Amino acid sequence: DAMVIQNPRYQVTQFGKPVTLSCSQTLNHNVMYWYQQKSSQAPKLLFHYYDKDFNNEADTPDNFQSRRPNTSFCFLDIRSPGLGDAAMYLCATSRAGRGAFFGQGTRLTVV
Amino acid sequence: AQKVTQAQTEISVVEKEDVTLDCVYETRDTTYYLFWYKQPPSGELVFLIRRNSFDEQNEISGRYSWNFQKSTSSFNFTITASQVVDSAVYFCALSEAGTDSWGKLQFGAGTQVVVTP
Repeated sequence: DAMVIQNPRYQVTQFGKPVTLSCSQTLNHNVMYWYQQKSSQAPKLLFHYYDKDFNNEADTPDNFQSRRPNTSFCFLDIRSPGLGDAAMYLCATSRAGRGAFFGQGTRLTVV
Repeated sequence: AQKVTQAQTEISVVEKEDVTLDCVYETRDTTYYLFWYKQPPSGELVFLIRRNSFDEQNEISGRYSWNFQKSTSSFNFTITASQVVDSAVYFCALSEAGTDSWGKLQFGAGTQVVVTP
């Protein structure tokens, strides 16, 4: 029944060690988004894919990259995580006429 | 630029009381969409309602209702007869019109709702 699935739910990584978060969807939506939500703050859009077209937000640091190998999967790569990158990372999908459907998020801890 | 303001940081109520959450937005777009999302402690953002800018009809859906007033740029949300399970952070959000924009959301800061038995 799950529609947007994020793995893992919790991720601990070392300072400076590359980490990848994954998202998959069973909704066949053509748009996928990655949001960052720091503690007690609102989610903030990092980037999104419209089909294979990548759209980066202007203020997203270069440290954050994304890949979408097919419609169902999207990955968030953090090349060199810093302590300030500790956050909940939320994946979402959408299609025209509907709002965004979010996964359960991956909570990233940087040690 | 788009902006969403939720002035209420936290609201505490006793079960069965009604809760109204305020939301004020700013946008230069003539067509836009407004949303309310719920975020329980588990972290997932749950879609609650959506309203188009060209439809100011206010509706009720179960225990949820909303009041969209374009003249004052407000999109308030009410939970009737609150329950403990309603305890969560509630986000108001705004998106512009566009094929890939439905999920490009500008969120307010969120309002923590605490419902006690």
